Amino acid sequence: AQSVTQPDIHITVSEGASLELRCNYSYGATPYLFWYVQSPGQGLQLLLKYFSGDTLVQGIKGFEAEFKRSQSSFNLRKPSVHWSDAAEYFCAVRTGNTPLVFGKGTRLSVIA
Amino acid sequence: DGGITQSPKYLFRKEGQNVTLSCEQNLNHDAMYWYRQDPGQGLRLIYYSQIVNDFQKGDIAEGYSVSREKKESFPLTVTSAQKNPTAFYLCASSLRTGGLGDTEAFFGQGTRLTVV
Repeated sequence: AQSVTQPDIHITVSEGASLELRCNYSYGATPYLFWYVQSPGQGLQLLLKYFSGDTLVQGIKGFEAEFKRSQSSFNLRKPSVHWSDAAEYFCAVRTGNTPLVFGKGTRLSVIA
Repeated sequence: DGGITQSPKYLFRKEGQNVTLSCEQNLNHDAMYWYRQDPGQGLRLIYYSQIVNDFQKGDIAEGYSVSREKKESFPLTVTSAQKNPTAFYLCASSLRTGGLGDTEAFFGQGTRLTVV
């Protein structure tokens, strides 16, 4: 069965610092990979997705992610964090027409 | 504007009562999903439907029921058999491709259900 692991439950970074959120997946074939963001009490918004091709994908709000097949990872990065980036971030995978499988999320706090 | 509408945003019910959460989409998506979110648990799949008049159980279907009579609508009923129904419920939809899975899901704003 597919599974997604986000090792960090909560991360705190200073505004302006760089950010990397980790995501590892377990699946036999290359899945389709997604990062979503959720503000408190809201739905999920897609940040970026990887289907094929270039393993470094760019998303909205200045985020990027890199797919590394050898490490089964799809880590999310941002070079300079803004206070408005404080939210919860979810990594998700799918294959075929199966529903998305989500990690448990990483909560990001941003301090001045 | 196209999107997914969940209603109501907040819902309170007494223990032992059934309650139905609404989800409507005007994106012309074939597939629709219900997820439950609890703190620290991520999103867990309750039910999903890939076409009208068909749906499948997800990982935590016990105590829930759904219907898919129209493409646009996928209501979720939380029955009295659900032992711990208080949670945040998210509805989503996506295109149904030829099996590649290369489509993202779009989410509604969620319904927070509190059972007292």
